[in-house]
Amino acid sequence: AQSVTQPDIHITVSEGASLELRCNYSYGATPYLFWYVQSPGQGLQLLLKYFSGDTLVQGIKGFEAEFKRSQSSFNLRKPSVHWSDAAEYFCAVAHTGFQKLVFGTGTRLLVSP
Amino acid sequence: GAGVSQSPRYKVAKRGQDVALRCDPISGHVSLFWYQQALGQGPEFLTYFQNEAQLDKSGLPSDRFFAERPEGSVSTLKIQRTQQEDSAVYLCASSLGQGSSNQPQHFGDGTRLSIL
Repeated sequence: AQSVTQPDIHITVSEGASLELRCNYSYGATPYLFWYVQSPGQGLQLLLKYFSGDTLVQGIKGFEAEFKRSQSSFNLRKPSVHWSDAAEYFCAVAHTGFQKLVFGTGTRLLVSP
Repeated sequence: GAGVSQSPRYKVAKRGQDVALRCDPISGHVSLFWYQQALGQGPEFLTYFQNEAQLDKSGLPSDRFFAERPEGSVSTLKIQRTQQEDSAVYLCASSLGQGSSNQPQHFGDGTRLSIL
């Protein structure tokens, strides 16, 4: 069965510093991978997705993620964090051919001044 | 509409009552999903519709949960004889594609259900 692990429950980053959120997945074939962001009381907003091709994908709000098959990872990065980036971030995997998403437990990002 | 709309935003019910949660997907979106998000957890899949057909209901936790999408647009998630463990945020998502994973899902803001 597919699974997603986000090992960091909370991360605190200073405003302007770089960010990396970790995501590891377990899936037998080539996965479809996603990062979503959720602000309090809101639904999930898609940041970026990986289906195939270039392993470095660019998303909205200056985020990027790199797919590493050898490490079963899809880490999210941002070079300079803004206070408005404080939110919950979810990594998700979809079974090829099906749309059901399997989510990790999320990482809460706190941004300090 | 511009996005996925869910109503009500908040619902408080007494244990044992029935509740109905509504989802209005993005116009023209074929696929519709329901997820349950417990406090401090990631969303968990409940069920999936392609137009009016419910193709996957493997995530529904019990036979108290029932979902429908009779005309292939608006969907309703119904929970009968609610229990405290049903307290969660229920998220609805829609996507344009038909059974292809390369269409991203667009989420509504969810319904926060509290069972007293």
